[in-house]
Amino acid sequence: NAGVTQTPKFQVLKTGQSMTLQCAQDMNHNSMYWYRQDPGMGLRLIYYSASEGTTDKGEVPNGYNVSRLNKREFSLRLESAAPSQTSVYFCASSGIWGAAEAFFGQGTRLTVV
Amino acid sequence: AQSVSQHNHHVILSEAASLELGCNYSYGGTVNLFWYVQYPGQHLQLLLKYFSGDPLVKGIKGFEAEFIKSKFSFNLRKPSVQWSDTAEYFCAVKASGGSYIPTFGRGTSLIVHP
Repeated sequence: NAGVTQTPKFQVLKTGQSMTLQCAQDMNHNSMYWYRQDPGMGLRLIYYSASEGTTDKGEVPNGYNVSRLNKREFSLRLESAAPSQTSVYFCASSGIWGAAEAFFGQGTRLTVV
Repeated sequence: AQSVSQHNHHVILSEAASLELGCNYSYGGTVNLFWYVQYPGQHLQLLLKYFSGDPLVKGIKGFEAEFIKSKFSFNLRKPSVQWSDTAEYFCAVKASGGSYIPTFGRGTSLIVHP
């Protein structure tokens, strides 16, 4: 049981380049999330998808776009990377009920130079 | 919208010392509360959660947390820490008014010296 799988694990981009972070879960979860983790800031929600076919902005959506491709997959796209987007990105998924815990991927360490 | 505050940003302990990490949330309605742990270089994993019933919740690796509704708190405790508990700890809340989206605190970095 793979859980939540993120690719790539590491990436270095030049300012202005674009890239897509891929995420897939095999737990039949309805809800999926993208967070970024920065030192001293904890995890901040970028975008989420409460169910297949819906996406909504989180706390820090600027500079990002997402696609909920199907129930399993939720991708995050940086159209024009900026140094401020240097961070560790985590994808997570959970069931829809309140007590459902979130399951996290291994993270993507992104550096924008 | 709900928010989560973790008061201790960095904690340094010696092995066998007792641990208590503070977590307060702001939301007046029904909440579900979680503690996650992130070991160095790894992803977040669930330590324990509260959603109803007994306010004292026991989790993995000897951790426990107490939900005190009147204080909007969900503090994490462990009677005797080990070097292997060195990690970052995150408190999180899912609230009905927030569409049950997990909201995380800023985290507490725990270093345990052998």
